[in-house]
Amino acid sequence: QQQVKQSPQSLIVQKGGIPIINCAYENTAFDYFPWYQQFPGKGPALLIAIRPDVSEKKEGRFTISFNKSAKQFSLHIMDSQPGDSATYFCAASIEEGGSNYKLTFGKGTLLTVNP
Amino acid sequence: GEEVAQTPKHLVRGEGQKAKLYCAPIKGHSYVFWYQQVLKNEFKFLISFQNENVFDETGMPKERFSAKCLPNSPCSLEIQATKLEDSAVYFCASSRTRQGGINYGYTFGSGTRLTVV
Repeated sequence: QQQVKQSPQSLIVQKGGIPIINCAYENTAFDYFPWYQQFPGKGPALLIAIRPDVSEKKEGRFTISFNKSAKQFSLHIMDSQPGDSATYFCAASIEEGGSNYKLTFGKGTLLTVNP
Repeated sequence: GEEVAQTPKHLVRGEGQKAKLYCAPIKGHSYVFWYQQVLKNEFKFLISFQNENVFDETGMPKERFSAKCLPNSPCSLEIQATKLEDSAVYFCASSRTRQGGINYGYTFGSGTRLTVV
């Protein structure tokens, strides 16, 4: 059972475009939703994260939109650059209650930003 | 420095041999997590520690996998009698103690690529 579904699998945009990556989750106990960026041969690096009491969070060129009723969240990258070309993973975890914390990942989106 | 150090970067083992991977979490981080990344993308949670205590081991195939986090030593993940399907990149991550319900995020190492031949 895949608890976090991510789409699309791959995405190609031109420099300056706004790629959007979507994720949907099933477990309503999830209360922490981070996005990770992974370059080849490297570990995932935390980009931005959101909690369900907020509908949008922005950090630099990265924005998360969160829809609690639809159990969906998405990553928008403003003014994308070739250096943003990487694989992006959404994830979710249960923080409240102190008994879990493990991340459940989506399957990743390979983003290519063409010059 | 503020990085999770994983060694070795690459490991090749014949089927049936033992493999041991190491992870030095960031100093002051009390949680350590191990994940297996297969088929380039899919992450599978294996086990987590709170300091030297097992916190959650629901992802561990216990018949061949074991892990430890001992004081003043790197954490380790050991696979006895490796199988071809164990070929993957194994990532370690660490995070700070939660205070007031705040998650400060997980820092991942660069991974160990295990190839079983």
